Amino acid sequence: AQSVTQLDSQVPVFEEAPVELRCNYSSSVSVYLFWYVQYPNQGLQLLLKYLSGSTLVKGINGFEAEFNKSQTSFHLRKPSVHISDTAEYFCAVSDNYGQNFVFGPGTRLSVLP
Amino acid sequence: NAGVTQTPKFRVLKTGQSMTLLCAQDMNHEYMYWYRQDPGMGLRLIHYSVGEGTTAKGEVPDGYNVSRLKKQNFLLGLESAAPSQTSVYFCASTGANVLTFGAGSRLTVL
Repeated sequence: AQSVTQLDSQVPVFEEAPVELRCNYSSSVSVYLFWYVQYPNQGLQLLLKYLSGSTLVKGINGFEAEFNKSQTSFHLRKPSVHISDTAEYFCAVSDNYGQNFVFGPGTRLSVLP
Repeated sequence: NAGVTQTPKFRVLKTGQSMTLLCAQDMNHEYMYWYRQDPGMGLRLIHYSVGEGTTAKGEVPDGYNVSRLKKQNFLLGLESAAPSQTSVYFCASTGANVLTFGAGSRLTVL
């Protein structure tokens, strides 16, 4: 069975500051890893994904994440956040058939002026 | 290309009433899912389907039924709604190892 932990339920940060949202997972099989973003009153949209290859993955809106197999982590980073990045961010894993998705509880990022 | 479309977007029910949420996708995806989202709990899988005519239980299937009569449609039914089913429901489908979500359906059971 797979599980996902997002240790920070809320992260406040000032505009133009860097941010890191943490994600750790556990799995007995190889996994694919994802970050989804949910803006208020909207569905989830894919931010970035790791399927294979380079462990540093770049996504939309200037976000990137690094897959660390030894630490079973997939932390999301952005060097300079904007007010418009205020949203809830979900880390997810799936098996490497692209099925059996498991989501973390989410991290609410609040960007302050 | 609409992607994944859910109807209705909002619904208020009384305890014991029944209703059906409709999900339609135009991406020719085989796999479709229904999730519920509750504060602090992320997304929990209710039921899923690996193809037309097939359905399977997810993590929290009790109180829900589903049907996949056509490849593009996945219906979620509540036969006798309970206040514990107040939630936001998301439909999703899988293509190229990635989940694509609908905009959500907010259901309130009084």
